[in-house]
Amino acid sequence: AQRVTQPEKLLSVFKGAPVELKCNYSYSGSPELFWYVQYSRQRLQLLLRHISRESIKGFTADLNKGETSFHLKKPFAQEEDSAMYYCALLLRGGKLIFGQGTELSVKP
Amino acid sequence: SAVISQKPSRDICQRGTSLTIQCQVDSQVTMMFWYRQQPGQSLTLIATANQGSEATYESGFVIDKFPISRPNLTFSTLTVSNMSPEDSSIYLCSVEGDRVGTYGYTFGSGTRLTVV
Repeated sequence: AQRVTQPEKLLSVFKGAPVELKCNYSYSGSPELFWYVQYSRQRLQLLLRHISRESIKGFTADLNKGETSFHLKKPFAQEEDSAMYYCALLLRGGKLIFGQGTELSVKP
Repeated sequence: SAVISQKPSRDICQRGTSLTIQCQVDSQVTMMFWYRQQPGQSLTLIATANQGSEATYESGFVIDKFPISRPNLTFSTLTVSNMSPEDSSIYLCSVEGDRVGTYGYTFGSGTRLTVV
């Protein structure tokens, strides 16, 4: 069955510390994965997608098919990174399956 | 990139009544998606709405409870019918397309529904 797992509900780090938000998936096909972010009082927005191998706001995510993971990383967290982060898997027909989300709190 | 206007942004409704949520997109899109986010939960797809055909519902969601209209390529509505407190959630519409030249899905700002 298709599934996205984000094991951490809350991740708290200090400003300047490295951060890694974990995402594991279960999918029999070739996965297309995304990270979405929701800042306080704002709408859900796309952060990055694995297919483009881009870096947005200092965040990167590498698809590891062997470990079925797509962890989101940033070497130096900033306070403005505090938000809710969702990992999502795209299925045929445009359906997105979301993980439970991880709340990132970056403390000064 | 597509811009989505969703309304109402929030509402408090009496049980047994119905609420229609509107989603307007500033460009023509083939597919529109409706999601639900229950309190403390992640997003779950309710249905996919294509213009000119009936919506496709996910397991656990039925047309009688969540009728959807898709009259043209820029607009869709989702109705939450005969509401109960369990329907209290955030409802979001989504379309394919984000930043120009990229591939992703854009979301509306959501409708926060409270059923009392």
